[in-house]
Amino acid sequence: LAKTTQPISMDSYEGQEVNITCSHNNIATNDYITWYQQFPSQGPRFIIQGYKTKVTNEVASLFIPADRKSSTLSLPRVSLSDTAVYYCLVAISSGSARQLTFGSGTQLTVLP
Amino acid sequence: DVKVTQSSRYLVKRTGEKVFLECVQDMDHENMFWYRQDPGLGLRLIYFSYDVKMKEKGDIPEGYSVSREKKERFSLILESASTNQTSMYLCASSSSYLLGGDTDTQYFGPGTRLTVL
Repeated sequence: LAKTTQPISMDSYEGQEVNITCSHNNIATNDYITWYQQFPSQGPRFIIQGYKTKVTNEVASLFIPADRKSSTLSLPRVSLSDTAVYYCLVAISSGSARQLTFGSGTQLTVLP
Repeated sequence: DVKVTQSSRYLVKRTGEKVFLECVQDMDHENMFWYRQDPGLGLRLIYFSYDVKMKEKGDIPEGYSVSREKKERFSLILESASTNQTSMYLCASSSSYLLGGDTDTQYFGPGTRLTVL
């Protein structure tokens, strides 16, 4: 199983860029990283997913360096409503399936 | 939009009771998952299913069983509930067993907060 590590918490101000890093091991070139956002009393919500060096969608970017020992979720300009817990998920190839390991989550607090 | 629903948002049971948690998805997904979520531990996979009547153990299957008689429904069963099973339980579904791909991901239900007294 991959072991994933995330910072427990982060603070930021509105309008700033926020980068949350997930450290992991045993990641092959075709193993996926997914990031989720979770608000209190709700299930996790998909933000972004990929295995390449950089993936971007309308809300975030995902960066995976060449050594593939970490991945970074980048939120370009956060607002108060981005205050939530953010989880990384590592999906590692294991035969015909994938082993799934979630990080323990990062509480992001966006301040006015 | 994918919709994953769970039968209860909050549940209180007594030690030794048999507990059923139900999950239904409406996107014809092949794969369904049960997680538990505890403070400081993130989400841990209990069981998953990649087809009707098929199941695989996740990381923490002890004390749990599952049932998948229909494609859209995946049940988590606590045969004899114990206080250490007090937790938030999350169900998810996805279209591909392998996950990954540009669009394939897990979609989560709202969760069931179970308290065992």
